Amino acid sequence: GAVVSQHPSRVICKSGTSVKIECRSLDFQATTMFWYRQFPKQSLMLMATSNEGSKATYEQGVEKDKFLINHASLTLSTLTVTSAHPEDSSFYICSAPTPNTDTQYFGPGTRLTVL
Amino acid sequence: QKEVEQNSGPLSVPEGAIASLNCTYSDRGSQSFFWYRQYSGKSPELIMSIYSNGDKEDGRFTAQLNKASQYVSLLIRDSQPSDSATYLCAVNKGNRGSTLGRLYFGRGTQLTVWP
Repeated sequence: GAVVSQHPSRVICKSGTSVKIECRSLDFQATTMFWYRQFPKQSLMLMATSNEGSKATYEQGVEKDKFLINHASLTLSTLTVTSAHPEDSSFYICSAPTPNTDTQYFGPGTRLTVL
Repeated sequence: QKEVEQNSGPLSVPEGAIASLNCTYSDRGSQSFFWYRQYSGKSPELIMSIYSNGDKEDGRFTAQLNKASQYVSLLIRDSQPSDSATYLCAVNKGNRGSTLGRLYFGRGTQLTVWP
């Protein structure tokens, strides 16, 4: 299957700081990527759709000013959690569909802990 | 009503048995259906996709789709301890092949296969 990477895999930060998470498609181009969040013992919740060359589309209830998404190129999307708080601690996972398919491949995830 | 619901777990089966996982979805217009496996602390990995009514087999895995009943299932034959994981049902509400489709996940069913 296609390969999607994320960096960092784990981050611990202080409350009030901002954290940037990178998502890369390594062997294919992705005009669209998706960002999910998963709290312990819960399912993945879609946060937003990242679109190369245009604004991201956010799901209902997700604050666009808090979760900044930039799709800088056909292989890179970044999610910045601004002014992070302990309740933002979660497992953040990106995914990308391979071209002309709706089969999505997931990155390994980033575990964020906000102290 | 939740978008995607899965049968409550956890599910425990002996090695060599058949494990049956079920999923229902609410949007009758959904076109694409996926089963993902997620090990603890890891991101989901794709097991199977299914688009048409009926059965689709891949090795020990068989996915079944019934659009009239809005029901998707996954059967795992000859279950192995390495199959122990959480199985996530996902539904893509976009048109088939559209990269704009978004995945909605069920809460997952935790499967344990004991030796």
